[in-house]
Formats: sequence, C-alpha cells, structure tokens
Amino acid sequence: GAGVSQSPSNKVTEKGKDVELRCDPISGHTALYWYRQSLGQGLEFLIYFQGNSAPDKSGLPSDRFSAERTGGSVSTLTIQRTQQEDSAVYLCASILVEAGELFFGEGSRLTVL
Amino acid sequence: SQQGEEDPQALSIQEGENATMNCSYKTSINNLQWYRQNSGRGLVHLILIRSNEREKHSGRLRVTLDTSKKSSSLLITASRAADTASYFCATAPTGTYKYIFGTGTRLKVLA
Repeated sequence: GAGVSQSPSNKVTEKGKDVELRCDPISGHTALYWYRQSLGQGLEFLIYFQGNSAPDKSGLPSDRFSAERTGGSVSTLTIQRTQQEDSAVYLCASILVEAGELFFGEGSRLTVL
Repeated sequence: SQQGEEDPQALSIQEGENATMNCSYKTSINNLQWYRQNSGRGLVHLILIRSNEREKHSGRLRVTLDTSKKSSSLLITASRAADTASYFCATAPTGTYKYIFGTGTRLKVLA
C-alpha cells in the first residue's frame, strides 16, 4: 500500500483478554517501530525491528507484551491478559533507514474495560 | 527514559506570530527530526537535520541544531490556526536506529 496501515483502528476489550494489533509497513521499508501513547502524553518507545529481528526490546512494559515481524513486512504486537493501564493508542512506524524519515500509521486505539 | 525533552510543554500564540519550541536530548546522534501530530493519532514528518548541519529551512519552518549543547529549536514563522498541533522531536543514539521521541509541545494558534 501507499502508507503504513494499522488494524484494528479501535479495539475495546475486557480486562484479562488477549489482543493482537497489526501493522503493515510501507513496502521495502527495512525497519519497523511500535510506540505507545497514553492520552495527552508523549510517545513511549516499545520495540523496533530491523528486518525480522528486534535489536532492542527494552521498551516492552512487561512480559505480557510481545511482538514479531515476519517476512520483513507485517508485524503484530500482542498483549496478553490485558490490564486497564494498557489502554492507549499504539502507533506503528516504518522507515527506510538510509533516508531517516519515519512514516506513521494512524494508530490502534485500545480500550480495556 | 525519554531521549528528548521539549519545552515549553504548551504554547499559545496569536495568528501571525512566530512560535519557537526547543528540544534537548541526551546522547550523540546522527540526525534530529521534528514531527507534528494532530488529534492524537499518526505523526507527520516535518524536517530532518543532520548532526553536521547547524540550520535548515523548509517553508515557514526553521530548525537549528547545537550538538555541543545537545539541543535543537523549531521556529514556525507567521503562524496560522492550522498550525495548532503537538510537535515532537525525535533522535536515535549514534550507531542505532532506536528513535526516541521527546515529550512534545502543544501549540495553540488563536485566530
């Protein structure tokens, strides 16, 4: 596609359920990023991928969070046993590292009841 | 922890005035970028300045970078109501592509 695509756009779930968020980056972009943004706050770095590997997972808040990227393309962020504090907008971005500019999707808004 | 910090946290100005926001970061970097965010969703890239550059212009935007002070400023000239948004700086430590964002400046331009 022409831009970074994220799904679902909005997700409402009950506490304790697992959720999966998907990011489809711009074709050919070598790196992919996940950020979390709580209401009125800045962007919290979660994880980034170069190709299919994640050089830095230090931003993942807990072991309930995991992410993978397959085929150098689509990535999924999985949150297990969701908690209310997981409620936020989850933003994905991709980049052609030589160029340096991050392209963002519109985000997935997660609400945990 | 955040790589960057912006100030002020919030800025309110009249249309036609200039808006200046600042960003400080913690490590050596290859480049510094500024982004804009409307309505709390996706960010849009505004401008990138490399570590060997001191100033860069793009339309009504002027960015400066002082690597000795680990700081940058974004100037928006002749502001418009449509410039109302949050503005973030982003940097990655040299040798990595781990882009970390600052805390952001919320700009409100009054018509």
